[in-house]
Amino acid sequence: DTGVSQDPRHKITKRGQNVTFRCDPISEHNRLYWYRQTLGQGPEFLTYFQNEAQLEKSRLLSDRFSAERPKGSFSTLEIQRTEQGDSAMYLCASSPPGASGNNEQFFGPGTRLTVL
Amino acid sequence: GNSVTQMEGPVTLSEEAFLTINCTYTATGYPSLFWYVQYPGEGLQLLLKATKADDKGSNKGFEATYRKETTSFHLEKGSVQVSDSAVYFCALSPFSTSGTYKYIFGTGTRLKVLA
Repeated sequence: DTGVSQDPRHKITKRGQNVTFRCDPISEHNRLYWYRQTLGQGPEFLTYFQNEAQLEKSRLLSDRFSAERPKGSFSTLEIQRTEQGDSAMYLCASSPPGASGNNEQFFGPGTRLTVL
Repeated sequence: GNSVTQMEGPVTLSEEAFLTINCTYTATGYPSLFWYVQYPGEGLQLLLKATKADDKGSNKGFEATYRKETTSFHLEKGSVQVSDSAVYFCALSPFSTSGTYKYIFGTGTRLKVLA
């Protein structure tokens, strides 16, 4: 399977704990996105990487959130001191090179976070 | 700012009925428009897209036309099947000087098709 993969698929944690999620994009895709989806809502943009550079961050991304893509391949999203409001599905997407708005984004299955 | 408004669901139809899911948008410039589908237990999949005014995207019997005058991108299918039951998301990708081309999604419309 050469699609976008995410790990873990589910994470249950207690409030105040730190969590880290991983995303492996399609291998030739240099563009990587993180989104957050809460129940009954559409995904909301969190951050964007082009290769290893983080080029845009949403205001939704508080100081407790940090994302990295150290070698321009896989990416990690860390949430420190989790809060119940962080409970959501975290989606990763990738798209191929080319500065064009009609590039399809390919989505992973998501990591569902539950903060107790 | 950029935003997408979708009709609220759920939409319940009988098999072979005609489907319309309304989507309107607000954007600066000329965004690209997309419909994504999320089947139960699966990730988001691109259903169709349109990149400029009057373009028609189509796939699997679904169609949507980019209407700049009415800022709309309504999804239609002439005859739905039980297997079309899913959540449908309208999205736009605004022009980006930074090259981000992030998506702005609507809230999604759940479709249930009864046999």
